[in-house]
Amino acid sequence: SQQGEEDPQALSIQEGENATMNCSYKTSINNLQWYRQNSGRGLVHLILIRSNEREKHSGRLRVTLDTSKKSSSLLITASRAADTASYFCATDAKGAQKLVFGQGTRLTINP
Amino acid sequence: DADVTQTPRNRITKTGKRIMLECSQTKGHDRMYWYRQDPGLGLRLIYYSFDVKDINKGEISDGYSVSRQAQAKFSLSLESAIPNQTALYFCAAGTGTNYGYTFGSGTRLTVV
Repeated sequence: SQQGEEDPQALSIQEGENATMNCSYKTSINNLQWYRQNSGRGLVHLILIRSNEREKHSGRLRVTLDTSKKSSSLLITASRAADTASYFCATDAKGAQKLVFGQGTRLTINP
Repeated sequence: DADVTQTPRNRITKTGKRIMLECSQTKGHDRMYWYRQDPGLGLRLIYYSFDVKDINKGEISDGYSVSRQAQAKFSLSLESAIPNQTALYFCAAGTGTNYGYTFGSGTRLTVV
């Protein structure tokens, strides 16, 4: 069973616009992580946000976490064609000692 | 060299054959993981290992086995491959869930 569910499943925007992806999860977590996957390639870790944090930034990435709603969002600002990829959230549930991944959001940036 | 290396990159095998997918890492991480990716289903955990003597089943371990030959090596075997094991398989390594995992480039397995 998937811990994280992402929304939307697919997103297509114009270059330069902002992209927002959402992740909802079911149980209490230690942290939530976001990964990027270029087509058919391995996943790359982007950012980790701990359960006691509400917002985190890394370059053009902004992640928020609302533990009361069990949800997180990933915002990519000023999108570029190179941001075209699938984005996955992964949760570290308390006591689980392993990451459980969502189904991913497929992001397409149109030039 | 990549931090996490998977071999082979692509493999086509016949139903009923035994096949082994290999993974090695140069990061010195204690923990290693095998995931399977199917279209629309994200990544699902097959097996994971916290050290050479600690192997744990994930959510979809049936039909698979693993071997942690050394801290740096973690192999996945399909004892008798079946077509619904056709998928993209990823190995990952990490120091724990408080940090990000490092993934290999994947093995695309087709069972015919």
